[in-house]
Amino acid sequence: AQKITQTQPGMFVQEKEAVTLDCTYDTSDPSYGLFWYKQPSSGEMIFLIYQGSYDQQNATEGRYSLNFQKARKSANLVISASQLGDSAMYFCAMREAPQYGQNFVFGPGTRLSVLP
Amino acid sequence: EPEVTQTPSHQVTQMGQEVILRCVPISNHLYFYWYRQILGQKVEFLVSFYNNEISEKSEIFDDQFSVERPDGSNFTLKIRSTKLEDSAMYFCASSEADGNQPQHFGDGTRLSIL
Repeated sequence: AQKITQTQPGMFVQEKEAVTLDCTYDTSDPSYGLFWYKQPSSGEMIFLIYQGSYDQQNATEGRYSLNFQKARKSANLVISASQLGDSAMYFCAMREAPQYGQNFVFGPGTRLSVLP
Repeated sequence: EPEVTQTPSHQVTQMGQEVILRCVPISNHLYFYWYRQILGQKVEFLVSFYNNEISEKSEIFDDQFSVERPDGSNFTLKIRSTKLEDSAMYFCASSEADGNQPQHFGDGTRLSIL
C-alpha cells in the first residue's frame, strides 16, 4: 500500500484564487509528522509547512495552511491568493519512526500551474 | 538564512566510475540525509546519518553507496562503480534533530551517467 497518496497529478488555479492540494497517508505510528515541500522547475526542494500528529491546531505559514483531518488521514495543503511564482511541483511527505516504516517518505507530487 | 549547499550542481561521469557528491549541512544541524529523485519521479530516501554513523538506510542504499563526514562541515555520498540507472538528482538535507523536524534540502546535484 502507498504510504502517501496525492491523487491530483496536475492542478490549475487562477492567479489570486485559493487552491487545495490533496494528500492522504497511511501509518500505524501514533507519532508522525507531515510535511509539504515545493519544487520549482529549477529543481530545488523548499520546505513549506509542517504538521505534527499530536498538534491540536492546523498549521499555518503565511499563505500556506494545512487542513489536517487526522481521522481521515488527510493533510491537504491550502495555498491562498495564488501567485504566478507558486507554479511548481508540490510534494507531501511523512516522517514515521523506523519500526513503522520508512524514515521519510514522499508522495508522487502534484504539479500546480497558476494562470494569469 | 542558513542553507544546505551541494557541489557540484551537475556531475557527468562514465559508467563504472566512482563519484563523490558533496554537501555542507546547516552548521547547527546534527542529522544529515541523502535522497535521490530520478527524473520525473518522486523523491526517495537513501540514508540518514547521525553522530558519525548511519542511523537508517533504505533498500536502495546497497554496498555501492557509502556516506562519510570527513571533517566538521562536509557530508559526502560516494557511489562506486556507477550504473546508468544511478542517473538522478541527489539531494542532501539536514535537520536540527531527528523525529518530526523539517529537513532542509540543498539545491541538489544532477548526476548523469554516460
